[in-house]
Amino acid sequence: GNSVTQMEGPVTLSEEAFLTINCTYTATGYPSLFWYVQYPGEGLQLLLKATKADDKGSNKGFEATYRKETTSFHLEKGSVQVSDSAVYFCALSDGNNRLAFGKGNQVVVIP
Amino acid sequence: DTEVTQTPKHLVMGMTNKKSLKCEQHMGHRAMYWYKQKAKKPPELMFVYSYEKLSINESVPSRFSPECPNSSLLNLHLHALQPEDSALYLCASSQVGDQGETQYFGPGTRLLVL
Repeated sequence: GNSVTQMEGPVTLSEEAFLTINCTYTATGYPSLFWYVQYPGEGLQLLLKATKADDKGSNKGFEATYRKETTSFHLEKGSVQVSDSAVYFCALSDGNNRLAFGKGNQVVVIP
Repeated sequence: DTEVTQTPKHLVMGMTNKKSLKCEQHMGHRAMYWYKQKAKKPPELMFVYSYEKLSINESVPSRFSPECPNSSLLNLHLHALQPEDSALYLCASSQVGDQGETQYFGPGTRLLVL
């Protein structure tokens, strides 16, 4: 079945540091890939998406590229702010109304 | 506009109560979803409605009863819940046939069962 793997553990970094969160997936066919962000006490917000190989999704300074050869969709941001502190979920959709989520990564940005 | 609204924002109920959660979207989406999310975990799918018909029920206990009265509204009726049902309940919607089936989530209802 479809699955998403995110790197273990919280990510703590200083303001203006470079952020990378790894995401790899297992899927049959050609899934679409998503990053969702969840701020404290809120629901999930779509951060970015990519629907085919080599697509780059981008939003609010975040980027992720759909790499079919490495089955990855790593999230990056060049200079994080305190306001980026949140939980980030990688997810994939195979077109059957089901999203497979990774476990999520807590990101804490220290001033 | 990609807004999904949910009411109430918070709900406290006893194990003998009956309550309902409400979800609304005006994006013309014809698929709507209920998820349950426990702290520090990803959301777990409960139900999916497609064109107002229940298409997926992930073996959810019968004390949770979904309803889709029209294409914009989704309800979740709660009865005789257990303390372990305390969680954040998220509603989502997507366009059927949309490439990638992007799901848009509401802010959630935080439920506490005493």
